[in-house]
Amino acid sequence: DVQMTQSPSYLAASPGESVSISCKASKSISNNLAWYQEKPGKANKLLIHSGSTLQSGTPSRFSGSGSGTDFTLTIRSLEFEDFAVYYCQQYNEYPLTFGSGTKLEIK
Amino acid sequence: QIQLVQSGPELKKPGESVKISCKASGYTFTDYAMHWVKQAPGKGLKWMGWINTYTGKPTYADDFKGRFVFSLEASASTANLQISNLKNEDTATYFCARRYILFDYWGQGVMVTVSS
Repeated sequence: DVQMTQSPSYLAASPGESVSISCKASKSISNNLAWYQEKPGKANKLLIHSGSTLQSGTPSRFSGSGSGTDFTLTIRSLEFEDFAVYYCQQYNEYPLTFGSGTKLEIK
Repeated sequence: QIQLVQSGPELKKPGESVKISCKASGYTFTDYAMHWVKQAPGKGLKWMGWINTYTGKPTYADDFKGRFVFSLEASASTANLQISNLKNEDTATYFCARRYILFDYWGQGVMVTVSS
């Protein structure tokens, strides 16, 4: 199975700041990586796929980069609505696997 | 609009069974597979497997073989997850998510609590 190591598990930042979240795969997954946002009371939201392609409706302050084993989600100029939990997920092979999540909180 | 609406929370005793549903609307049900994902309290997401909504064939992740059954009521655009012989470690929120290549729509999740 492809293990997805996500870091940090917790991140505190202020609105207007920029943050980055790392996701490392235990073997190459090409660019078959997605990022999801989890917020209480809302359905999980697909933000980015193919490592760096923004899903329709994702604000441009979100960006993704990387390929192979190392990936990064960056959020520029944080807005209040961005404080949530973020997961990476590989879809290169079965079983599909997720990172352990990053909780982004307001400082 | 596309929606996956799941059934309500469940409180069960160890050894009992539970069946939770996921009703799809806003798209052709058989065009997308339906996947199931488990989230234990305070934990991350764990993929459980999927069901081919066209053929009805289920595929289970290794940790979910035996007590877990995926099924369909295709005429009602509904996917179901049944868990038998419930254990304390089954306490979790269970999500359905449609997938072609990506999980682009998710249900809101169903909290299943197993407690004596």
